[in-house]
Amino acid sequence: DTAVSQTPKYLVTQMGNDKSIKCEQNLGHDTMYWYKQDSKKFLKIMFSYNNKELIINETVPNRFSPKSPDKAHLNLHINSLELGDSAVYFCASSQPSDFAYEQYFGPGTRLTVT
Amino acid sequence: EDQVTQSPEALRLQEGESSSLNCSYTVSGLRGLFWYRQDPGKGPEFLFTLYSAGEEKEKERLKATLTKKESFLHITAPKPEDSATYLCAVRSGGSNYKLTFGKGTLLTVNP
Repeated sequence: DTAVSQTPKYLVTQMGNDKSIKCEQNLGHDTMYWYKQDSKKFLKIMFSYNNKELIINETVPNRFSPKSPDKAHLNLHINSLELGDSAVYFCASSQPSDFAYEQYFGPGTRLTVT
Repeated sequence: EDQVTQSPEALRLQEGESSSLNCSYTVSGLRGLFWYRQDPGKGPEFLFTLYSAGEEKEKERLKATLTKKESFLHITAPKPEDSATYLCAVRSGGSNYKLTFGKGTLLTVNP
């Protein structure tokens, strides 16, 4: 049983297009995240939702818009794709408490913009 | 701003040759230091959480330790299947639920 799943795994598209990536978790967690991992493997937070409420919004172009229809799903929509958007995007989830903040990651979506 | 620096960037070991990976951090009020393993083409896999200086955790051939400025991931008698990128991350008191990651150490264990 996959805990955090993402679709699609690979996404190849042209500059200027709009695309979406979907994420679902079956861990019962309240908090979900989107991370971007660049070509140098550096993993950086983009957004976080806690119980469908946006709580982290790092300095990300407003072409990126997260949407959380319920606490088990967090989607990422990207408008007007640019070459620099090419990266691997990871979804993660956690159940923060006083003693545990570990995040569990999905398998990633490799986005290639040509 | 929280900062995490991992060293070395890459480490090549022979099977059975023990070594350590380093994670130095600067945070305002550490609320947790995390170690993850990432295999090529996959998402990071959670290994350990450490909360206070002096704490140690072990899992098979891996042992993580924590001081007030850094954490070490000790690998004892590694096997080729331990080859992966190891990522360190921190959460500070003022960062809500955000983790700040280092750039990772790529470990290669040759048979």
